[in-house]
Amino acid sequence: AQSVAQPEDQVNVAEGNPLTVKCTYSVSGNPYLFWYVQYPNRGLQFLLKYITGDNLVKGSYGFEAEFNKSQTSFHLKKPSALVSDSALYFCAVRDRDSGGGADGLTFGKGTHLIIQP
Amino acid sequence: DTGVSQDPRHKITKRGQNVTFRCDPISEHNRLYWYRQTLGQGPEFLTYFQNEAQLEKSRLLSDRFSAERPKGSFSTLEIQRTEQGDSAMYLCASSSRAGTNTGELFFGEGSRLTVL
Repeated sequence: AQSVAQPEDQVNVAEGNPLTVKCTYSVSGNPYLFWYVQYPNRGLQFLLKYITGDNLVKGSYGFEAEFNKSQTSFHLKKPSALVSDSALYFCAVRDRDSGGGADGLTFGKGTHLIIQP
Repeated sequence: DTGVSQDPRHKITKRGQNVTFRCDPISEHNRLYWYRQTLGQGPEFLTYFQNEAQLEKSRLLSDRFSAERPKGSFSTLEIQRTEQGDSAMYLCASSSRAGTNTGELFFGEGSRLTVL
């Protein structure tokens, strides 16, 4: 079985400061890892993904994430936060070796990111 | 708008009634997914289709739930004899074959169900 943990329900950051949203995962094989963002009353939007290769992945809106296999983590980061980054962020995992199983992603519970002006 | 569309956006019903949600995926996407999201939780996988074939169903999908994608285009999710525990946001997502292998799903804005 695969699972995702987002240990923080909420992260508060001042505008202009760097931000980190934490994610750890568990899969039996090798992971595909993703970050999605959800704005109020909107569907989830894809931000970035790690498939293979470089552990540092760059995505939309200046976000990036670092895959750390030894720590089974995939933390989301941004060097300088904007008020408009305030939203609900979900980390998700899929076991690339599951083969024949569901293509569905397993999501974490989400982290509310609040950027204060 | 060429994104994933869902209808209705909100549905309030009484316990025991049947409800049906519709999803229109992005036109060139052959895979379609249904997820359920409750307050404070991430989306939970329910089922997915490749074209008209339903390839996987989660254990969350009880026998009161049925999903169809008759012509490989739009999909419906029906809940029979609704219970208060069915209250949730039902999300639809689609992807192309390439996108599926790497997980880039395109989500609709969801259909929120409230069962009284």
